Amino acid sequence: SQKIEQNSEALNIQEGKTATLTCNYTNYSPAYLQWYRQDPGRGPVFLLLIRENEKEKRKERLKVTFDTTLKQSLFHITASQPADSATYLCALNSNYQLIWGAGTKLIIKP
Amino acid sequence: IAGITQAPTSQILAAGRRMTLRCTQDMRHNAMYWYRQDLGLGLRLIHYSNTAGTTGKGEVPDGYSVSRANTDDFPLTLASAVPSQTSVYFCASSYEGSDTQYFGPGTRLTVL
Repeated sequence: SQKIEQNSEALNIQEGKTATLTCNYTNYSPAYLQWYRQDPGRGPVFLLLIRENEKEKRKERLKVTFDTTLKQSLFHITASQPADSATYLCALNSNYQLIWGAGTKLIIKP
Repeated sequence: IAGITQAPTSQILAAGRRMTLRCTQDMRHNAMYWYRQDLGLGLRLIHYSNTAGTTGKGEVPDGYSVSRANTDDFPLTLASAVPSQTSVYFCASSYEGSDTQYFGPGTRLTVL
């Protein structure tokens, strides 16, 4: 069956450290993968898109990698801050739609 | 209007009642989507529309209907609400299918 998985347990990180979130998928061959941030009571907000021919993408303190062999994307936040606390969702494209992971809750402790 | 709006913000509904959730975007996006988000399950696509005048079924369409009379509006109707439709509903839009999506603030619906 087709699946997209993110760690369902909350990730607790000390402020200033690097947070790394994982998105694994099976039985898909996405041309690209996206990461979104969702705050409580709000809709998801787009952060980064990485294509299958790109190994890495950066935006300020954010970095995303995409390994189509491992079928995995990693999302890194460097120098993390309490304001980075949120749920982070990954989504991949399939048949002109996005398929979503359930998200990982990130908590940055001061 | 800036971006994508949804109404109402929240609603408590008796089972069996009919309900329409409204969604409007001002970005002239071709594609629009309705998702439901339940704890631990992530976003699940209910219906979508790639362009005005066309609609399609997503992963969980049963009990829901949509229409796309124009580019801006994409209402979602529950013909006869059931408790399993209790959820948070998000409307989203994008220039094209599977492009970066822009989300509304959501509607929290409780069916009793």
